[in-house]
Amino acid sequence: AQSVTQLDSQVPVFEEAPVELRCNYSSSVSVYLFWYVQYPNQGLQLLLKYLSGSTLVKGINGFEAEFNKSQTSFHLRKPSVHISDTAEYFCAVSEDGTSYGKLTFGQGTILTVHP
Amino acid sequence: DTEVTQTPKHLVMGMTNKKSLKCEQHMGHRAMYWYKQKAKKPPELMFVYSYEKLSINESVPSRFSPECPNSSLLNLHLHALQPEDSALYLCASSPQGSGAYNEQFFGPGTRLTVL
Repeated sequence: AQSVTQLDSQVPVFEEAPVELRCNYSSSVSVYLFWYVQYPNQGLQLLLKYLSGSTLVKGINGFEAEFNKSQTSFHLRKPSVHISDTAEYFCAVSEDGTSYGKLTFGQGTILTVHP
Repeated sequence: DTEVTQTPKHLVMGMTNKKSLKCEQHMGHRAMYWYKQKAKKPPELMFVYSYEKLSINESVPSRFSPECPNSSLLNLHLHALQPEDSALYLCASSPQGSGAYNEQFFGPGTRLTVL
């Protein structure tokens, strides 16, 4: 069975600073990886996804993530954050070979951007 | 139309009430999902419908009853709920059935409070 660990429950950062949100996963088969963002009292919005190919994935709002198979990681990065990036971020994994798109989410990381 | 809509946005119900949550998408997606999200927790999968047929039931209590009348609509019928069922209920859809590689598009959720 797959599992996802987000190593930081909260990440405070100042505006215009870089940020990295860490995600590690565990699975016995190939996986697809996703990062979602959730603003307060809203649903989830996809930031980016890794399906195959290049391990560096670029997403919306200036975010990018790098898939590292040997370290089973999929860390999310942004070189310069804005106040509007304050939200909760979820890393999620879906196992290849399953016909049902079951997403397993990490516990979430709350990113707070201070002025 | 590129969004998933959910109604109502908020719902307060007593333990003896019967109510329904509604989800709609017009993106031609053939898989639809119900998730439950408790406060400060990640979403947990409840049900998956693929091509209007129930594909996954994650051992959800029978007081939750899903229904997929057509490819655009997904309902969740609620009866005799408990206060611990209070949560944000999220609907999602994905294209081409429910394959593991498919991105899921989330609605804004229904905030349910059971008194």
